[in-house]
Amino acid sequence: AQSVTQLDSHVSVSEGTPVLLRCNYSSSYSPSLFWYVQHPNKGLQLLLKYTSAATLVKGINGFEAEFKKSETSFHLTKPSAHMSDAAEYFCVVMWSSASKIIFGSGTRLSIRP
Amino acid sequence: GAGVSQSPSNKVTEKGKDVELRCDPISGHTALYWYRQSLGQGLEFLIYFQGNSAPDKSGLPSDRFSAERTGGSVSTLTIQRTQQEDSAVYLCASSLRAAGQETQYFGPGTRLLVL
Repeated sequence: AQSVTQLDSHVSVSEGTPVLLRCNYSSSYSPSLFWYVQHPNKGLQLLLKYTSAATLVKGINGFEAEFKKSETSFHLTKPSAHMSDAAEYFCVVMWSSASKIIFGSGTRLSIRP
Repeated sequence: GAGVSQSPSNKVTEKGKDVELRCDPISGHTALYWYRQSLGQGLEFLIYFQGNSAPDKSGLPSDRFSAERTGGSVSTLTIQRTQQEDSAVYLCASSLRAAGQETQYFGPGTRLLVL
């Protein structure tokens, strides 16, 4: 069965330190992978996506993610956290059929001053 | 350009009433998606349209839920005989076409509260 797992429900880091948000998926097929961010009382915004091109994907606001097929992972990273990064982050996996879309449970990122 | 818009932004209704939620996709986007975000269920895919057709309705939580899209543009999600567990944020998204690699652009959502 296809599934998406965000390993941490809450991550807290200090401003200026690295961010790591983890996402693993299980599937027999190569999917398209996305990270979306949702700021409080705002809609979902695309951060980056992987669609079988380069395995290291760069997104907006300094975020990037690396697709590792052997580990079925698509972890989101940022070298230096900023206060404005505080939000909920969703890992999304989509297969060739648009009806096969699964969202992870989300990771809430908090930034300490 | 204009993004995805949804109306109303907030809706409070009494249990048992019907509600209709509207989504205006980005102009030119042929695919439209409905999601529900609730505390207990996270973000849940409901249904998608390619043009005016909904190939897969299995994500709708019950037969009280229905959706339609006319003219390849606006879509309405209707919930009949609302229940308290229907309280959630209903999100709409659109993309150029319904394919795995297409980016979806989300609207701000409709917050539904069923009393």
